[in-house]
Amino acid sequence: ILNVEQSPQSLHVQEGDSTNFTCSFPSSNFYALHWYRWETAKSPEALFVMTLNGDEKKKGRISATLNTKEGYSYLYIKGSQPEDSATYLCACSGGSNYKLTFGKGTLLTVNP
Amino acid sequence: GAVVSQHPSRVICKSGTSVKIECRSLDFQATTMFWYRQFPKQSLMLMATSNEGSKATYEQGVEKDKFLINHASLTLSTLTVTSAHPEDSSFYICSATTGGAGNTIYFGEGSWLTVV
Repeated sequence: ILNVEQSPQSLHVQEGDSTNFTCSFPSSNFYALHWYRWETAKSPEALFVMTLNGDEKKKGRISATLNTKEGYSYLYIKGSQPEDSATYLCACSGGSNYKLTFGKGTLLTVNP
Repeated sequence: GAVVSQHPSRVICKSGTSVKIECRSLDFQATTMFWYRQFPKQSLMLMATSNEGSKATYEQGVEKDKFLINHASLTLSTLTVTSAHPEDSSFYICSATTGGAGNTIYFGEGSWLTVV
């Protein structure tokens, strides 16, 4: 059973600020890390799937890095906008299966 | 991205009755679907994994006779909560994938179940 931790639990930033949050996980038996963006009453939106140590992915103003040796991933948002307000979830799978263990999420609020 | 639709989004049922939640992959064939439950301020907890045409694999502590999962086609999985109790009231959400441990897993919108 994986233990996935996300920090901070919640975050308030001003429009235009850049921000980042952390997902930590056991480095042993790691296979893949998934980031999701989840707005209320909508489906969690898949942002990134990362498997390789040192991997860095980018989607618009959002990017993520992965360090499998030390067991963490960072999600960065550049120039936050109010529409970025959501809960950001990370999840890990261990071994070569698809089962995801989720963190509790980071709730981001971007104030205009 | 791919679309997964879940229905109903909200349901209220009486104690002792059964309720069915459907999860459909609308634009891809999902070889594997997952069902999660989330209690307030907790993380999504995996309940079971279902592969098309075979029996679901339940996580430890999840009663398979209470939470019946059927994955009869590559686009549909159902979760039936049988003999519902108020403590079954929760948020249930499904996800689906075409397979492959590094592939994207797509989620439905979730269903709020209230048992009265």
